[in-house]
Amino acid sequence: AQSVTQLDSQVPVFEEAPVELRCNYSSSVSVYLFWYVQYPNQGLQLLLKYLSGSTLVESINGFEAEFNKSQTSFHLRKPSVHISDTAEYFCAVMRGGNKLVFGAGTILRVKS
Amino acid sequence: NAGVTQTPKFRVLKTGQSMTLLCAQDMNHEYMYWYRQDPGMGLRLIHYSVGEGTTAKGEVPDGYNVSRLKKQNFLLGLESAAPSQTSVYFCASSLATGELFFGEGSRLTVL
Repeated sequence: AQSVTQLDSQVPVFEEAPVELRCNYSSSVSVYLFWYVQYPNQGLQLLLKYLSGSTLVESINGFEAEFNKSQTSFHLRKPSVHISDTAEYFCAVMRGGNKLVFGAGTILRVKS
Repeated sequence: NAGVTQTPKFRVLKTGQSMTLLCAQDMNHEYMYWYRQDPGMGLRLIHYSVGEGTTAKGEVPDGYNVSRLKKQNFLLGLESAAPSQTSVYFCASSLATGELFFGEGSRLTVL
């Protein structure tokens, strides 16, 4: 069965610094992988997804994630963060029946 | 542009009381889901539906029931609330692409 491990529960970082949020998955079959973002008191929103093709996927707001099959990872990166990126980020893997299994989440705190 | 709407947004119950959370989506999505979110545990799937008239159990279904009588609505019921069901509940809908669209959540406290 697929599961997801997010290796950091909280990541503090200064504004304009780079950041990496780590995600590892376990699966014996082809995977579809996702990153969702949750701003305070809101629902989750899709940030980016890997379904097939290029292993590097990008979002419209500067985040990117790389699917690494050999390391079973899908880490999220941004070269320069803003205060507005402060949120909780969830990695997820798709199971059969179009269901998503989520990691425990990583809180990104951007400090000025 | 409503998307996924959950009602109510807040509710306080006493142990043993019952209630229903309503989820409505206007995107004509086949799939609908109920998740609960607890600190440090991410989101856990309670029940889901792959189409009108169908429901299935997720990871943590005990103590909950669901119904999907209409394609646009997915109801989550608690027959006898327990303090362990204190949580934030999220409804989501999707096409068969894995991209879920979430409501804003319903915060439930069981005393």
